[in-house]
Amino acid sequence: EAQVTQNPRYLITVTGKKLTVTCSQNMNHEYMSWYRQDPGLGLRQIYYSMNVEVTDKGDVPEGYKVSRKEKRNFPLILESPSPNQTSLYFCASSLLKQANEQFFGPGTRLTVL
Amino acid sequence: AQKVTQAQTEISVVEKEDVTLDCVYETRDTTYYLFWYKQPPSGELVFLIRRNSFDEQNEISGRYSWNFQKSTSSFNFTITASQVVDSAVYFCALSEAPSTGFQKLVFGTGTRLLVSP
Repeated sequence: EAQVTQNPRYLITVTGKKLTVTCSQNMNHEYMSWYRQDPGLGLRQIYYSMNVEVTDKGDVPEGYKVSRKEKRNFPLILESPSPNQTSLYFCASSLLKQANEQFFGPGTRLTVL
Repeated sequence: AQKVTQAQTEISVVEKEDVTLDCVYETRDTTYYLFWYKQPPSGELVFLIRRNSFDEQNEISGRYSWNFQKSTSSFNFTITASQVVDSAVYFCALSEAPSTGFQKLVFGTGTRLLVSP
């Protein structure tokens, strides 16, 4: 089954404790992206990757890191999480063609205390 | 720059009423794509429709219909005879299509639809 998976789905952590949210897709998609969703703000892009070893900042990259060592994986790293990073995070992937449908993962709900 | 405006923060209707969710967009490109996504209470994002800028035909899918009007930069979504299961947050999104082929989705802030029995 074609899908985007994220782990964990739910996470409660404390300020400053490094964490990684994994994202994996099995559709051989070149393009992957991370979004965060906050009430009243919709979804905003954090980082994206157009292929292996090619990543770039989205609209809200501060406090986040990503890597793309393999085509299927695109982890989101919070090296020192803060409470303002409490949010719902979505990973998405698509073919690197014009405006193909982005496949979204199920979301990761992160709470930073 | 791209921008999507969903002015309706929350809409409440009674089952079987028709409801229209508004979406207004801004783009400088002549080639772009518009999307609607549904986010039910369970949280996942469900793709509903994609429309390209060259296709202004309205679309109907069961109780769902979409009205794309380039003249007013709007891509409105109507649910006919709403049902409780339609209760969700609905997002409109815009993607420009530059020559690089890279696509970026810009989302509106969403409209929460509450359908009561």
